[in-house]
Amino acid sequence: AQSVAQPEDQVNVAEGNPLTVKCTYSVSGNPYLFWYVQYPNRGLQFLLKYITGDNLVKGSYGFEAEFNKSQTSFHLKKPSALVSDSALYFCAVSALYNQGGKLIFGQGTELSVKP
Amino acid sequence: EAGVVQSPRYKIIEKKQPVAFWCNPISGHNTLYWYLQNLGQGPELLIRYENEEAVDDSQLPKDRFSAERLKGVDSTLKIQPAELGDSAVYLCASSSLPQGGSTGELFFGEGSRLTVL
Repeated sequence: AQSVAQPEDQVNVAEGNPLTVKCTYSVSGNPYLFWYVQYPNRGLQFLLKYITGDNLVKGSYGFEAEFNKSQTSFHLKKPSALVSDSALYFCAVSALYNQGGKLIFGQGTELSVKP
Repeated sequence: EAGVVQSPRYKIIEKKQPVAFWCNPISGHNTLYWYLQNLGQGPELLIRYENEEAVDDSQLPKDRFSAERLKGVDSTLKIQPAELGDSAVYLCASSSLPQGGSTGELFFGEGSRLTVL
């Protein structure tokens, strides 16, 4: 069965510092991996995805994520955090030969960036 | 381009009452999803449509939940009767590919927050 784990409920970072939001996954076969962001009282917004190719994926708002197959991880990163990055971040996975478009989401990580 | 539109944004009802949520996906998106998001949790798929066909409703509690997507565009999710545990945010999403969750991204609406008293 597919699953996603986000081991940290909350991540606190000072503005200007690098940030990392962790994600590990479990899936049979090759994974499709995604990061979404959710601002208060809003729907989820797509940030980036890994399908195949380069392990470092660049996405919206200066975010990037690194796919590590041996560690089954897909950590979200940003070199310099902004206060406006404060939000809820979700990692999601879908199997290559899945049931057809079924994304499995992690429980989310609350990112707080302080001035 | 308009995004995914959901209504109502907020709904408060008493238990045992019926409630319905409406979703209008992005124009041209054939795949439509309903997700349930409990407080502090990630979204969980309730049902997925390819055009007007429900191709995955394995997580939909069919004793009280129903959904339809007539004409393959708008969709309605209904709960009857509602229970206290149904209090959550109901998210609608759409994608342009048959397996949008695999090869493309989902576009989410802002959600409908249900409170059952």
